[in-house]
Amino acid sequence: KQEVTQIPAALSVPEGENLVLNCSFTDSAIYNLQWFRQDPGKGLTSLLLIQSSQREQTSGRLNASLDKSSGRSTLYIAASQPGDSATYLCAVRQTGANNLFFGTGTRLTVIP
Amino acid sequence: EPEVTQTPSHQVTQMGQEVILRCVPISNHLYFYWYRQILGQKVEFLVSFYNNEISEKSEIFDDQFSVERPDGSNFTLKIRSTKLEDSAMYFCASRVRLAGVGSTDTQYFGPGTRLTVL
Repeated sequence: KQEVTQIPAALSVPEGENLVLNCSFTDSAIYNLQWFRQDPGKGLTSLLLIQSSQREQTSGRLNASLDKSSGRSTLYIAASQPGDSATYLCAVRQTGANNLFFGTGTRLTVIP
Repeated sequence: EPEVTQTPSHQVTQMGQEVILRCVPISNHLYFYWYRQILGQKVEFLVSFYNNEISEKSEIFDDQFSVERPDGSNFTLKIRSTKLEDSAMYFCASRVRLAGVGSTDTQYFGPGTRLTVL
């Protein structure tokens, strides 16, 4: 069964810093990987989706990379802002399946 | 921008009662999902629905759970006899798959319904 792990569980950075969030998965037979943002008590906002054939995707200050063979993805956030404070979740969709397997998330705090 | 909506935002019920959670997926989407997140734990898949039938379900989705698309817009999750351990945030999600367009695999999530079973 696919296991998705995110390290670190929590991260605090001063405003303006660049940072990297990590996601690893045990089964490399994935169809795609999606990064989400979750604010406290709220739903999940999709940030980026990377197909298994892609190496990276960019949206504004966010860049997500995927190394399928090593079972890793990273989410790079440039020039962090206090509004980036949230929990960031990665989720993988297996080849041949419909559902997402989620990691436990990284809780990011950006200090003004 | 179109959104997935869910009602109610918070539901409190007594153990053993039936609850129905409601979702309105994005209108041109074809695949519908329910996930749940127990406080402090991972988001977990419950069930997916396509072409008016369940396409996949997890071990969590036992006989106490059922899903329905009663009309062209609503998608519901029913829990027949709630247990204390059903207390969680329940998320509905939807996605569209257009032939030849890979980037539309994104699953869009609603804001969730917080279910509290007393």
